[in-house]
Amino acid sequence: GENVEQHPSTLSVQEGDSAVIKCTYSDSASNYFPWYKQELGKGPQLIIDIRSNVGEKKDQRIAVTLNKTAKHFSLHITETQPEDSAVYFCAASMGNQFYFGTGTSLTVIP
Amino acid sequence: GAGVSQSPSNKVTEKGKDVELRCDPISGHTALYWYRQSLGQGLEFLIYFQGNSAPDKSGLPSDRFSAERTGGSVSTLTIQRTQQEDSAVYLCASHQTRNTEAFFGQGTRLTVV
Repeated sequence: GENVEQHPSTLSVQEGDSAVIKCTYSDSASNYFPWYKQELGKGPQLIIDIRSNVGEKKDQRIAVTLNKTAKHFSLHITETQPEDSAVYFCAASMGNQFYFGTGTSLTVIP
Repeated sequence: GAGVSQSPSNKVTEKGKDVELRCDPISGHTALYWYRQSLGQGLEFLIYFQGNSAPDKSGLPSDRFSAERTGGSVSTLTIQRTQQEDSAVYLCASHQTRNTEAFFGQGTRLTVV
């Protein structure tokens, strides 16, 4: 089956700086890569996703890049704000199954 | 409803008792997943329902765990003879179709004492 690795497990940045979270996957058949944000006491919420026919996608301060050859994808958050503090999960899917990374706890220091 | 609803939000039970966790997915969503999230950990897949197909139970950790989805809508996750290691947050997610965005409920925090 698929194996998704996520790094780093914790990340602290100063407000206004950028944050980057990286994930690798093992199965080249995976074709859908969503990123979720989980705030304390809540379920994860989709923040951005990318499919395998696209290399990069941006939505305001958030961007995701995908390198199919190297089987890795990254989340980029620019101009971080305190409300970006949360746990972020990447996932890889090839159909029925979603395989999640172990999460990154992001803290934005005001 | 507007989103995925899970109940109860919190459940404390004694070791050895059975518990039922409920998930109301978004109306019309054909795919429904259950996950377990232990403290500070990632999402552990438990079971997947897609339409009227047989569920994918490959993630259930033991035969004490079972789930059903009635009428292609509401799902119930049942844990029999609960153990302390079952303590976790149980999350339900529904998808409009397979391989699309997951909409998560707020989770049920289960504590086995």
